[in-house]
Amino acid sequence: QQQVKQSPQSLIVQKGGISIINCAYENTAFDYFPWYQQFPGKGPALLIAIRPDVSEKKEGRFTISFNKSAKQFSLHIMDSQPGDSATYFCAASGGQGAQKLVFGQGTRLTINP
Amino acid sequence: DTAVSQTPKYLVTQMGNDKSIKCEQNLGHDTMYWYKQDSKKFLKIMFSYNNKELIINETVPNRFSPKSPDKAHLNLHINSLELGDSAVYFCASRASGGSEQYFGPGTRLTVT
Repeated sequence: QQQVKQSPQSLIVQKGGISIINCAYENTAFDYFPWYQQFPGKGPALLIAIRPDVSEKKEGRFTISFNKSAKQFSLHIMDSQPGDSATYFCAASGGQGAQKLVFGQGTRLTINP
Repeated sequence: DTAVSQTPKYLVTQMGNDKSIKCEQNLGHDTMYWYKQDSKKFLKIMFSYNNKELIINETVPNRFSPKSPDKAHLNLHINSLELGDSAVYFCASRASGGSEQYFGPGTRLTVT
């Protein structure tokens, strides 16, 4: 059962454009929603995260928008740069205990110069 | 001064062999994880330890056995390796009371 669904699978954006990746979740017990960035041959690196008590969080060029009622959240990359080309994963965890991360399927982002 | 490190980075072995992957974190975290990333890049949790105690075991075959000698180390031993075990294995760690998980560089296991 895929608890976090991510789209699109791949995305090509021109340099300077806005990249948007969407995720939807099913489990209402989730209360932590991070985004990870992964470059080829490297481990996933935490990019930005949000909790459901806010609808938006911004860090530099990266913004998470969160819609609790729709159980959806998205990553926006403003002024996209070729160095942003990577695979992006949304994830979710929640409740007490081990807080295992449930990942989306990943989006391969390519920024064309 | 790498936060989460794994050894080896690459591991090529034949079917039926037994192999181990090691993970160490110097972040002072209490909880460590093993994740598997398959050929389609899908990441899925396998195990989690908190202060050397197993707290998550996600329906992983018994051939996989994690071991945590102390809270800074989490090793993964795999018996009787199969072709389907080929993947990238990531270790991660998290501080108690925190939600952020920090991942290691991964170990690419290839079973031939």
